Amino acid sequence: AQSVTQLGSHVSVSEGALVLLRCNYSSSVPPYLFWYVQYPNQGLQLLLKYTSAATLVKGINGFEAEFKKSETSFHLTKPSAHMRDAAEYFCAVNFGNEKLTFGTGTRLTIIP
Amino acid sequence: AAGVIQSPRHLIKEKRETATLKCYPIPRHDTVYWYQQGPGQDPQFLISFYEKMQSDKGSIPDRFSAQQFSDYHSELNMSSLELGDSALYFCASSLSSTSGTYEQYFGPGTRLTVT
Repeated sequence: AQSVTQLGSHVSVSEGALVLLRCNYSSSVPPYLFWYVQYPNQGLQLLLKYTSAATLVKGINGFEAEFKKSETSFHLTKPSAHMRDAAEYFCAVNFGNEKLTFGTGTRLTIIP
Repeated sequence: AAGVIQSPRHLIKEKRETATLKCYPIPRHDTVYWYQQGPGQDPQFLISFYEKMQSDKGSIPDRFSAQQFSDYHSELNMSSLELGDSALYFCASSLSSTSGTYEQYFGPGTRLTVT
């Protein structure tokens, strides 16, 4: 069965600093990988997805992620953090038209 | 662009009561998923429907049932509510396609509070 592990339940970065949120997956076959963002008391918004095309995926709000098969990773990055990026971020995996399996989430705090 | 609609947005029920949550997927989407997110937790898959047939089942209690109707909207029925059922319930929809992207679009959720 596939799974994802998010290292760090809480990450704090200064405004303008690099954001790095870690996600590692476990799967016997190449999965589809997703990053979702959840703002307080709101739903889940898709940031970006990897579906076996380009390994470097660009998403919304300046975020990007790189699929590294050798490291079974799909870390989310943003060069310069903004106050509006404060939210909960979830990495998720599936194999197509089926349920998503989510990581436990990383709460991102931006320090002014 | 049309999004996934869920109603109601907030629901307060007492223990042992029943609740019905509704989901209206994005037009032309053929698959609906239901997820439950407890306080401070990640979303957990409950059940899904493809073309009005149940396609997968997760950790959904026997007290819960769901169906998808001819107009593709879905309802999650919850009976004998327990305090532990208090959570945010999300509906998501996707479109099966040969391109294989299958991204799921989530609704705003229904916050259920059981007292």
